[in-house]
Parts: sequence; C-alpha cells; structure tokens
Amino acid sequence: NFMLTQPHSVSESPGKTVTISCTRSSGPIANNYVQWYQQRPGSPPTPLIYEDKYRPAGVPDRFSGSIDRSSNSASLTISGLKTEDEADYYCQSYADSDNPFVFGSGTKVTVL
Amino acid sequence: EVQLLESGGGLVQPGGSLRLSCGASGFTFSHYAMSWVRQTAGKGLEWVSSISGSGGSPTYADSVKGRFTISRDNSNNTLHLQMSSLTADDTAVYYCAKDASEYGGYYLDYWGQGTPVTVS
Repeated sequence: NFMLTQPHSVSESPGKTVTISCTRSSGPIANNYVQWYQQRPGSPPTPLIYEDKYRPAGVPDRFSGSIDRSSNSASLTISGLKTEDEADYYCQSYADSDNPFVFGSGTKVTVL
Repeated sequence: EVQLLESGGGLVQPGGSLRLSCGASGFTFSHYAMSWVRQTAGKGLEWVSSISGSGGSPTYADSVKGRFTISRDNSNNTLHLQMSSLTADDTAVYYCAKDASEYGGYYLDYWGQGTPVTVS
C-alpha cells in the first residue's frame, strides 16, 4: 500500500491563498481519486473535495482541488483565507478493496 | 438531514470487549456502504472497517483484523462494531461515516460526532 504525505502545518494571513500538497508514495496519483476533508477543533471531518476537484454542495468555491502527475501529488488550495478556515485538512485516496481508505498525515492550517 | 449518532464508547480494560453502535437517519440506509474511522488524540485519521449497503463484503484494517467485526441492521438503520482483545493502541475516538456509494471505497460524505474508546 502507498502512503499520502502532507506538510505538517502551513500558515498564512487572512485574505491570502494557501496550498496544501498530498504526495503519493507509490503508484500514480491519477490511478485513484483524491478526496479532501476539513476537521475543525472538536468536530468530525467534513468533505471539501471529491474526485480530485469537485466540491460537495455547500462548500465555498474558495476551496479547489487538483492533481499534478509530474510531482505525483494532489493539492488543496484555499483562497481568500478566513479565520474560520483554521483547521486540520486531510487528503484521502483509495488503495484496493482490502484497504479502501488511505488518509494523509494531515495538515494544520493557521490563519495568522 | 443526514444524521449519524454513535454510542457504546467508554473505558475498558486491556483484553476486554466493547460494542459500538451508530444510528442513522435522513437517508436510505441500505443503499450506502458504511465505515468506521478512528482518530487518536492529536493524531490523524485511520480507517478501521467498512461494509457494503447490503451487509456483504466487510473489510478491515490489518491492525484490527481478527479482533473487530463490523455488521449492520438495515431494518433498524444501525451500524455496529464489535471490538475484542482490545489494547491500548485501540484507544481513540471512533467515527461512523457514510460512504457516498453502495459498495464503498468512494468517499465519506457524512460523519458522526464520534464516540471515545479508552483502553486502560
């Protein structure tokens, strides 16, 4: 099975843009869709992005997802940062039927 | 409105057993796969187990295989996780989560609030 590696933390000022990477350790990133979840303190995760780039209903378009085959990674971009975006963010992908959910290590976003 | 409510967590001694339940409402329960995902304090998310909408094809993480059993009661819209031979490594908050597909492995579109399990 592969691992998904994320930066431990990122920080940026309100109104700015931040990008979180999610690098797959083996196998092409494009082989399986990547999802992103947001987890605010004391709350369960909620989905932000599915199938690499689509937003569930109700998720602001400030959140966008993409994949980069050259770096074998997925990215979550948050534009127009708000203090409410302070949270942990996890990427997730599918490995196989015996291990359907592989989660990234998580990234803590701090809005300065 | 989709709601998932876990119960059954608590303090258990090493080697003991615990049964978690998750009551679901707001969607046709039997049409969707369900999963358990756990999170240790201050750590990341770990997938534990999944089951298809019909109750077939249960899958388990290697860390719990042979000790945990997932099941569902579609007539009562309830998901269960029977945990046995518990160790300190099983201490975590356990989340019940709904899959966006019937067969699983798609993405988890709704999560419960979680129930804490402490093995000590």
